[in-house]
Amino acid sequence: AQSVTQLGSHVSVSEGALVLLRCNYSSSVPPYLFWYVQYPNQGLQLLLKYTSAATLVKGINGFEAEFKKSETSFHLTKPSAHMSDAAEYFCAVGSGGSYIPTFGRGTSLIVHP
Amino acid sequence: EAGVAQSPRYKIIEKRQSVAFWCNPISGHATLYWYQQILGQGPKLLIQFQNNGVVDDSQLPKDRFSAERLKGVDSTLKIQPAKLEDSAVYLCASSSGLNTEAFFGQGTRLTVV
Repeated sequence: AQSVTQLGSHVSVSEGALVLLRCNYSSSVPPYLFWYVQYPNQGLQLLLKYTSAATLVKGINGFEAEFKKSETSFHLTKPSAHMSDAAEYFCAVGSGGSYIPTFGRGTSLIVHP
Repeated sequence: EAGVAQSPRYKIIEKRQSVAFWCNPISGHATLYWYQQILGQGPKLLIQFQNNGVVDDSQLPKDRFSAERLKGVDSTLKIQPAKLEDSAVYLCASSSGLNTEAFFGQGTRLTVV
């Protein structure tokens, strides 16, 4: 079965600092991988997705993620954090080689002034 | 383009009562999903519809949960009777097909007391 593991339930950064949210996947087939963001009392919004094209994927709001097969990782980064980035971030893998997301437990990003 | 609409936004019920949630997907989207998101966890897929047919309901607790999408558009998710552990946010999502991006509604927050 496909799954993802997000390392760290909370990540705290200062405004302007690098954001790094970690995600490792387990999949028996080439995976589709996603990062979603959830703001308080909101639904999930797709940040970016990997579908076996370029390994470096650029998403919305300045976020990007790199697919590393050798490390089975799909970490999310942003060069400079903004206060508005504070939210819950979910890594997900496409179940059964599809776009149907199976989610990790989420990482809460806290941004300090 | 209107997004996925869900109602109600919040619901509080006593255990053993019944409750129903409603979802109106994005117009033209054939695929509809219901997810359960327990506090502190990632969303878990309960059921997936393709038009008015069930594609996957393997994680739906069928002794108390039911869902339907009679005309292939709107969907309802019902819990009868509710248990304390059913307290969660219930998210509806839709996509135009099985291998396209899923768009999420804002969710219904259920509290069972």
